Parts: sequence; C-alpha cells; structure tokens
Amino acid sequence: AQSVTQPDIHITVSEGASLELRCNYSYGATPYLFWYVQSPGQGLQLLLKYFSGDTLVQGIKGFEAEFKRSQSSFNLRKPSVHWSDAAEYFCAVVLFGNTGKLIFGQGTTLQVKP
Amino acid sequence: GAVVSQHPSWVICKSGTSVKIECRSLDFQATTMFWYRQFPKQSLMLMATSNEGSKATYEQGVEKDKFLINHASLTLSTLTVTSAHPEDSSFYICSAKQGGPSYNEQFFGPGTRLTVL
Repeated sequence: AQSVTQPDIHITVSEGASLELRCNYSYGATPYLFWYVQSPGQGLQLLLKYFSGDTLVQGIKGFEAEFKRSQSSFNLRKPSVHWSDAAEYFCAVVLFGNTGKLIFGQGTTLQVKP
Repeated sequence: GAVVSQHPSWVICKSGTSVKIECRSLDFQATTMFWYRQFPKQSLMLMATSNEGSKATYEQGVEKDKFLINHASLTLSTLTVTSAHPEDSSFYICSAKQGGPSYNEQFFGPGTRLTVL
C-alpha cells in the first residue's frame, strides 16, 4: 500500500545539537515530497519541498532535506537546533498526476532541551 | 502573499447543533481547497477535496451528509458539521491551491478547534 512513514514519533535533542528527522515513502514512482512544521494549535508551514533536480534541498529556518531514491527517503536535517524549533514535523507526498492531495506521515514531535 | 484564513479559530457548541467553518484564500484564487481533520497528537487526515463550482470529493469513510462542504467562490469554502456530537470534536484545517490538476503548492489555514459538549 502507498504510505508515508516517519519512524520516530518523538525526538529530544539539546539546543545547539544537530537534528535529523526521518521520512520514508512507499510509492511506485517518485512523488513530490514536502516537510511541514506545525506549532501547537496552529496550521502548517512549509519548510521545503522536492520536485526534481538537486537532491539536496534547502528550506527556511536553516533546514535542509536530502532525497535518496535508492532508499525512498527524504530526511530533514538541521545542523544546530534552536529552542524555537520545538514543534511537530510532518513529511508529506503528492503523487504526480494526482489531484494534488497531500498524504501525510504520522508526524514527529521535536522537543529541545536547554 | 498566499494567505489562507479560517473562521472561527475556535468554537464550542452543544451536541446536536450545526457548526460552519469558513476557509478563505485572501490574496489568490483557489480553484481547489482541501479539508483536513487532526486529532490530538495525530497526523492530518484528508476529509475532502473541494473544487469551485462543483461537488466536493470525500475520502473513504467520511460522511458527506455529516460534513457538508461548499466551495461557492474562488476564495471561499465552507465546512458545516451537521448535528455535531462530542466525537466530532477535533482540529479542522483547510488548505488552498491555485491552478489545475497538476500540483501547485497548498497553503494552509491556521485551523479551527471544534469542541462539542
């Protein structure tokens, strides 16, 4: 079945440490890939997206993600986490040719220790 | 640019009443709007896809008579939760996109917290 998986439900990192959030997808073709961030009680903000081309994508707030076709992965990274990065992070895909429906992963809650 | 608003941001209602939630694209024309539901500590689940001037397409398991969606203009879609019950309490988020069938970025509203007593 087609799916998006975020293996880590909850991650805690110290402020200033590096971060990597994992995302794997299961589709026959390469979908469009996204990372969103959600603060408590808020809507979603797009961090970055991958459609094609360079597999290392730069986003807002110092985030980047790398698409690896061989691993069907699109992991999100940040070299130095700030306390304000504490939030819920969602990986999502849109299938090419689809109506534009986003399929979300389960989400990863990021906690940042001072 | 690309701002999507929702109104109200939160609502509390009695069981059995109906609640309408508005989703507006403020600075662009949204040919398609999406409605999502999110339970606490869970991901977003797509409820329906709404295209301007046509009937909404509901996802499997979503009751179309329970969740009425109207996309009357290129800037407004409404979700009406009819005869609401406590199990309908949730966070409802809309998103909007421009353009045709090919992908264009979706822009999300801030969400509406519905509590049914």
